Amino acid sequence: EIVLTQSPGTLSLSPGERATLSCRTSQSVSRTHLAWYQAKPGQAPRLLIYAASDRATGIPDRFSGSGSGTDFTLTISRLEPEDFAVYYCQQYGTSWTFGQGTRVEVK
Amino acid sequence: QVQLVESGGGVVQPGGSLRLSCAASAFSFSDYGMHWVRLAPGKGLEWVALIRDDGSKEYYGDSVKGRFTISRDNSKNTLYLQMNTLRAEDTAVYYCATSTLTDAFDIWGQGTKVTVSS
Repeated sequence: EIVLTQSPGTLSLSPGERATLSCRTSQSVSRTHLAWYQAKPGQAPRLLIYAASDRATGIPDRFSGSGSGTDFTLTISRLEPEDFAVYYCQQYGTSWTFGQGTRVEVK
Repeated sequence: QVQLVESGGGVVQPGGSLRLSCAASAFSFSDYGMHWVRLAPGKGLEWVALIRDDGSKEYYGDSVKGRFTISRDNSKNTLYLQMNTLRAEDTAVYYCATSTLTDAFDIWGQGTKVTVSS
């Protein structure tokens, strides 16, 4: 099983600041099979980024993804109030596994 | 509006059974494989099971293999998850999800909560 490790566990930032979230995989993952999701309590998780860097439909351009091999990054350029949530990375090349999540909270 | 709506969650004793449903609307349900994913308290998302678009093949995560069964009724646009021999560690919010525009999970339901407790 491919294990995904996200860091940090919690990111405390203020609105308007830049958020950088990391996802490291236990073995190399094709860029085409790495996604990022946003999750909020009581809501459906939302696909943000697929294929490591492609934004899903309707996702604002302040969200961007990058990386390759075993190291991937989600960047939120300027945090809006609605961006405070938990973020998960996922690989879908060999079965499907998720990271444990990074919580972005208001500082 | 494309939508997935889960139902059937609740409180069940260890060793018990529960069947979850996921009703799909506003997209061609029978064209897509369907997944179940869960989120346990204090943990990350965990993929549970997949069924192919025509129901011909099923795949399961190791933690539920032999206890859970995924199925679908394309005439009713509905996905199911039969959960048997439930354990405390199965306590979670269960989501159905699918991949339509990409290979990632681009449509999710809002989830149904399952609590396994005596």
